[in-house]
This record gives sequence, structure tokens and C-alpha cells, in this order.
Amino acid sequence: ELKVEQNPLFLSMQEGKNYTIYCNYSTTSDRLYWYRQDPGKSLESLFVLLSNGAVKQEGRLMASLDTKARLSTLHITAAVHDLSATYFCAVDDLMDSNYQLIWGAGTKLIIKP
Amino acid sequence: NAGVTQTPKFQVLKTGQSMTLQCAQDMNHEYMSWYRQDPGMGLRLIHYSVGAGITDQGEVPNGYNVSRSTTEDFPLRLLSAAPSQTSVYFCASRTRISTSGVGNEQYFGPGTRLTVT
Repeated sequence: ELKVEQNPLFLSMQEGKNYTIYCNYSTTSDRLYWYRQDPGKSLESLFVLLSNGAVKQEGRLMASLDTKARLSTLHITAAVHDLSATYFCAVDDLMDSNYQLIWGAGTKLIIKP
Repeated sequence: NAGVTQTPKFQVLKTGQSMTLQCAQDMNHEYMSWYRQDPGMGLRLIHYSVGAGITDQGEVPNGYNVSRSTTEDFPLRLLSAAPSQTSVYFCASRTRISTSGVGNEQYFGPGTRLTVT
């Protein structure tokens, strides 16, 4: 059974700093997704990573995937308050006949001025 | 496209009442899912469907029923509401997963906030 772990689960940081959120998963997969959720809102897709070494960037966020290490990172550069949200990673379980999407617990990010 | 729509946005039920949460998508997606999200928590899968006429249980199916008579609609029924079902419910859809290396992101509805008293 595929498990997905995110860390940290909670992160409070200052504006202007850099930080990284980690997403580890337990079995083979080469499909990983990052989502953002603002308080009281739904989930919004940020990045789709489909192969080993994939890197995607949007503004101050950059996501990467290392399928050999079963690890994805979401890097925040020079954080701004608007990036405060909860970030989820999810992985396609390729061993499941329905390719079930398995979710991490989420990382709540608070960026202070 | 409207994407994934859910109704109602808010609902208050008394213990023992039943109701149906509606979900529809206009993207012709084969896969649809229902999740619940409790305060400060992640997503837990209730039921899912891989196509019309096909449904299956997720992690927390007890107390809920689903059906999928059309590709577009995937209603979630609460049979006899309990306070433990107070939560935010999200419906989501995605295209059928392939082995071709093409990823299929999941699209979420706006959610239904349910309170059971």
C-alpha cells in the first residue's frame, strides 16, 4: 500500500526567506501532483510532475521529482505573505488497478511580514 | 466549462436526518471521487467511481452511499446523519488514468460545509 508523507506539517516563516517542503512516498510511482488550499477554499492544482528529474516553476514556487529517491520537493524562494496556504502532495498508486490518488497530510505554511 | 459543481454550499442537519449532496462535472471525466476534510486535517476518500455504473468504497465509506448513473453526476447520500459527519465535503473528477506517462490532475468542486447537530 502506497503511503505519502509530507514534512513539515506546519511551517511558520518570515517574508523574504527560502524554504522547502518535502513529500516522500513509499512505493514506485512517477506521477506526483502538488495542490494549494487557501483557508475555507477548495484545492487548486499547482504542479504536475510526470517523470524522474521533472522540474516545474511558477513564480516563487518550484517543484521537483526524484523517482529513485521517491521524493518531491516544493521550494519557496523569497516568500511573500500571499503564499500562506496549505500545500498538499498526491501520488498516483501505479500498483492499484484504478491508479488511486494517495494524498499527503498537507503542510500548513504561514508567512509573516 | 463550469468544471466541478457542488450543491448545496452549506447545510445544517439534525441527527438522524438524511440528505443528498450533489456533484456534477462537465469535462467528461471518467473518474469521480468524494472526500471529507475535517478541520486542520487532510483529505479522506469516502467513495469513488471509475465510470458510469461503477462505484467503490474508499477509506471512510460507512454512513454514506453513492451511485453513478451518468458520467456527469455523482451524488453522495447521507443515510442517517450523525455529528461525526460534520465536515467539509469535496467532490473531484479526473480523466481515466493511462499508462502512457500522461498525468491526470484531479479537479475539485468548491465544497459543501455540513454541520450535524
